[in-house]
Amino acid sequence: NAGVTQTPKFQVLKTGQSMTLQCAQDMNHNSMYWYRQDPGMGLRLIYYSASEGTTDKGEVPNGYNVSRLNKREFSLRLESAAPSQTSVYFCASSLLEEWYGEQYFGPGTRLTVT
Amino acid sequence: QKEVEQNSGPLSVPEGAIASLNCTYSDRVSQSFFWYRQYSGKSPELIMSIYSNGDKEDGRFTAQLNKASQYVSLLIRDSQPSDSATYLCAVKNGKLTFGQGTILTVHP
Repeated sequence: NAGVTQTPKFQVLKTGQSMTLQCAQDMNHNSMYWYRQDPGMGLRLIYYSASEGTTDKGEVPNGYNVSRLNKREFSLRLESAAPSQTSVYFCASSLLEEWYGEQYFGPGTRLTVT
Repeated sequence: QKEVEQNSGPLSVPEGAIASLNCTYSDRVSQSFFWYRQYSGKSPELIMSIYSNGDKEDGRFTAQLNKASQYVSLLIRDSQPSDSATYLCAVKNGKLTFGQGTILTVHP
């Protein structure tokens, strides 16, 4: 079991460029999440998907879009990157939304926007 | 007032000592409480969950919850250098809110 995988691990973008962060889990979890982690700000939820076919905004959704491609995969897209989106991005999953305090995290993507 | 507050530390303890990490939360209806450990440059890892008042023990870790006082703590007994990490408190009341984390350093 790989758990939660994320690609890429590192990325540098120029302002205005777009990119998609990929996330996949092989634990047969129903719920998936995207967070960003910034120094002094802790982990903040961007979007989540309680189950396949549903997505909802979290605390900081502006500038991002998501797609729950199937039960395993949940992608995060930056349409027009801004320096304020420089951060570490984590994908996570949980068995059910009711259990979403018990989350399993991927290794993260370190994104720099210049 | 932040929803979930932790002392950012760093908290430094000698090897073999008890490390005590504290967390307070503002929403009285919070239902579930979690501790995550995050090593430098790595992702958070769930180490404890607690749902009712009192203590919950798992190996060297004990989580303590006091809903009346709105705090949750994590005790690490016989601290080891490998316990050096950032410990994130997370509180669930519909949504999951993380504190900023406490940096723990265990020195030999």
